[in-house]
Amino acid sequence: TQLLEQSPQFLSIQEGENLTVYCNSSSVFSSLQWYRQEPGEGPVLLVTVVTGGEVKKLKRLTFQFGDARKDSSLHITAAQPGDTGLYLCAGATSGGSYIPTFGRGTSLIVHP
Amino acid sequence: ETGVTQTPRHLVMGMTNKKSLKCEQHLGHNAMYWYKQSAKKPLELMFVYNFKEQTENNSVPSRFSPECPNSSHLFLHLHTLQPEDSALYLCASSNGGNTEAFFGQGTRLTVV
Repeated sequence: TQLLEQSPQFLSIQEGENLTVYCNSSSVFSSLQWYRQEPGEGPVLLVTVVTGGEVKKLKRLTFQFGDARKDSSLHITAAQPGDTGLYLCAGATSGGSYIPTFGRGTSLIVHP
Repeated sequence: ETGVTQTPRHLVMGMTNKKSLKCEQHLGHNAMYWYKQSAKKPLELMFVYNFKEQTENNSVPSRFSPECPNSSHLFLHLHTLQPEDSALYLCASSNGGNTEAFFGQGTRLTVV
């Protein structure tokens, strides 16, 4: 079973559109990370959220951690072709090990 | 540049060959990881080392043999691999107690 479920699995949009991707679990997380991975490269850390209800912004990207710390969302405003990539969420459950466990990711393509 | 360097970037090997993947981190982290990323599959954790000691072996076949001579270096020795072992092999590091992982660029392995 996958600890972290990400949706949608694939997303293909036009430049300028907005989008939201989701990361859900039945478990409570002590912290959750979002990464972006470009083809043939390793994932790059974007943000960490720790507090339930926390919202963090990174330019056009807005990250939210659910109040119960079981889910998170990533919203991109006015997507650009440079946003294309695989978006991965990862985390560790409360009281568990600190080994990062990853979801399957959302593959985003932004067409010019 | 994430501070984690993997070599080689690409590797093609026959099923009878022996090769090694190398990972080096300059971040002062005490935990290092090997992940396997295959097409259409989530990142699969293979091995975890904390302070040079292996703390996790995620049921990986013995044809994959890790080595961690010190906290900054991690190797993955490969021998008698199968074509289904072709994948992107990613190394990552983190501080113990923190799930923020920093990845290398990966080694694209093709077994022929």
